Amino acid sequence: DAGVTQSPTHLIKTRGQQVTLRCSPKSGHDTVSWYQQALGQGPQFIFQYYEEEERQRGNFPDRFSGHQFPNYSSELNVNALLLGDSALYLCASAGTGGSYEQYFGPGTRLTVT
Amino acid sequence: GENVEQHPSTLSVQEGDSAVIKCTYSDSASNYFPWYKQELGKRPQLIIDIRSNVGEKKDQRIAVTLNKTAKHFSLHITETQPEDSAVYFCAAVDENNFNKFYFGSGTKLNVKP
Repeated sequence: DAGVTQSPTHLIKTRGQQVTLRCSPKSGHDTVSWYQQALGQGPQFIFQYYEEEERQRGNFPDRFSGHQFPNYSSELNVNALLLGDSALYLCASAGTGGSYEQYFGPGTRLTVT
Repeated sequence: GENVEQHPSTLSVQEGDSAVIKCTYSDSASNYFPWYKQELGKRPQLIIDIRSNVGEKKDQRIAVTLNKTAKHFSLHITETQPEDSAVYFCAAVDENNFNKFYFGSGTKLNVKP
């Protein structure tokens, strides 16, 4: 079991560009959540996907969007990048079989210059 | 929404001593409280969790206590070891609200040998 995987590991983008981050959930998991973790801070909830739909959203602007595919993998898209978007983006997966434990991926480090 | 406060932000202890990290939450609907350990450059990993129908839970050197009335919960690490050095995050979750995790800002624990 590979656990939660994310790609790419690191990414450098310029202000105004767009970025797509990818996540594959742990085997058997069908729920994917995305978090933004700024340096020295706790993860901040962006949104959660279940059954290919966004079912919960945190306090992030519409520039942040996502998608979940039939195989439960997910993408996070950020448009019109700002310097403040520089952070570690974490994906976490969970199952719906009664356990609500979330398993985190290794994250994607995004740097916006 | 939920607001989770975590203290202290940094904690330095001597090897063998105990460490206590405290969190408070605001939403009485929160009923699941996990603790994560994040080593430098690595993903957060669940170390212990507690549900609102339990006041205390232990796992070897780690314990968590919950006071629902006061809306606070604490992580206790006994007989600390240098490998316990990491950043610890608490979280509060309303399992009836699609598992939206609210994280504290983290505590950097340094265990001095």
